Amino acid sequence: AQSVTQLGSHVSVSEGALVLLRCNYSSSVPPYLFWYVQYPNQGLQLLLKYTSAATLVKGINGFEAEFKKSETSFHLTKPSAHMSDAAEYFCAVSAGSNDYKLSFGAGTTVTVRA
Amino acid sequence: KAGVTQTPRYLIKTRGQQVTLSCSPISGHRSVSWYQQTPGQGLQFLFEYFSETQRNKGNFPGRFSGRQFSNSRSEMNVSTLELGDSALYLCASSSPGTGGEQYFGPGTRLTVT
Repeated sequence: AQSVTQLGSHVSVSEGALVLLRCNYSSSVPPYLFWYVQYPNQGLQLLLKYTSAATLVKGINGFEAEFKKSETSFHLTKPSAHMSDAAEYFCAVSAGSNDYKLSFGAGTTVTVRA
Repeated sequence: KAGVTQTPRYLIKTRGQQVTLSCSPISGHRSVSWYQQTPGQGLQFLFEYFSETQRNKGNFPGRFSGRQFSNSRSEMNVSTLELGDSALYLCASSSPGTGGEQYFGPGTRLTVT
């Protein structure tokens, strides 16, 4: 079975500061890991994915994440926060390319201060 | 390409009624998954369909059902609605071999009174 745990339900950062969102996973098989973002009253949008290739993954809007097997982590970062980054972020895991069941973390709400 | 569309966007129903939600995937996508999102339980997987067959099902009661048509459009049905069924229902589509790389629709907000 696969699961993820997101550390911190709320994160507040200043505009221009580093954004760091933490995600740890548990998986009985090599995982596929994802970060999704949800803006108010919208569906989820894929930010980036790890599918067992490069451990440092770059996504849209300047976000990136690093897969660390030894730490079972897949933390999301962005060097400089923008006001438009205010949203809810979800880490998710599946069991591979033929597994379409995503298990999501509880989500982290990001607030950006001017 | 047009994105995933869901209809209706908002729905208000009374306890005991049933409801049908519709999802049209991205053109060419044959896998459609459904999720329920609530403040208390978060995002939970309901089921996934591929080529009109349910391939995977989450831990929900039998009141929740779905189907997929030959054009890949999907519907989900909830019978005998309960207050706890109030949620945002999200549909997502995927292309073959991409696993959890899913494209989500805007969701249907269901309120049960």
